[in-house]
Amino acid sequence: DIQLTQSPSFLSASVGDRVTITCRASQGISSYLAWYQQKPGKAPKLLIYAASTLQSGVPSRFSGSGSGTEFTLTISSLQPEDFATYYCQQLNSYPCTFGGGTKVEIK
Amino acid sequence: EVQLVQSGAEVKKPGESLKISCKGSGYSFTSYWIGWVRQMPGKGLEWMGIIYPGDSDTRYSPSFQGQVTISADKSISTAYLQWSSLKASDTAMYYCARRLVESDAFDIWGQGTMVTVSS
Repeated sequence: DIQLTQSPSFLSASVGDRVTITCRASQGISSYLAWYQQKPGKAPKLLIYAASTLQSGVPSRFSGSGSGTEFTLTISSLQPEDFATYYCQQLNSYPCTFGGGTKVEIK
Repeated sequence: EVQLVQSGAEVKKPGESLKISCKGSGYSFTSYWIGWVRQMPGKGLEWMGIIYPGDSDTRYSPSFQGQVTISADKSISTAYLQWSSLKASDTAMYYCARRLVESDAFDIWGQGTMVTVSS
């Protein structure tokens, strides 16, 4: 299975901050990566797929980049509703494993 | 509205069997893969497997192969996840989700089914 390592596991930030989360794959996965947001007690929500394609309805302050083994999710200006846990998922091969998650909390 | 609606929470004893469901509506159920994802309490997401309801083609994660069975009944637009003998370690939230056509990402998620296994 392909392993995904997210960093940091936890970050504390303020409204308006620029936030970057990194996801590293144990082997090259081209651009086959997605990002999800999960709030407590809720199902995950797809933000980005194909490493940089914004899912319909997702605010443009979210962006994704990277290819191969290193990827980033950037929130350009953190909003109160963005405090949540974020997961990356590789889509290169089955099983489509997830990263361990990054919890974004209010500073 | 495109949605997946899952069956309700379950409380079971070790060794019991269980089948939970995921009903799709608002789209062509047979044209999209449906996956299952486990989330143990306080933990991350785990990809369990995926099924194409059109022909029941199914893929499992090696971690879950032989531990669960994924199936679908296209006549009622419903996918299933079942266990023949539950363990305490199966206690988790289980989500079904629809796979995008152009990617293996999941764009529509069910609300989740909490399964609690306790003696």
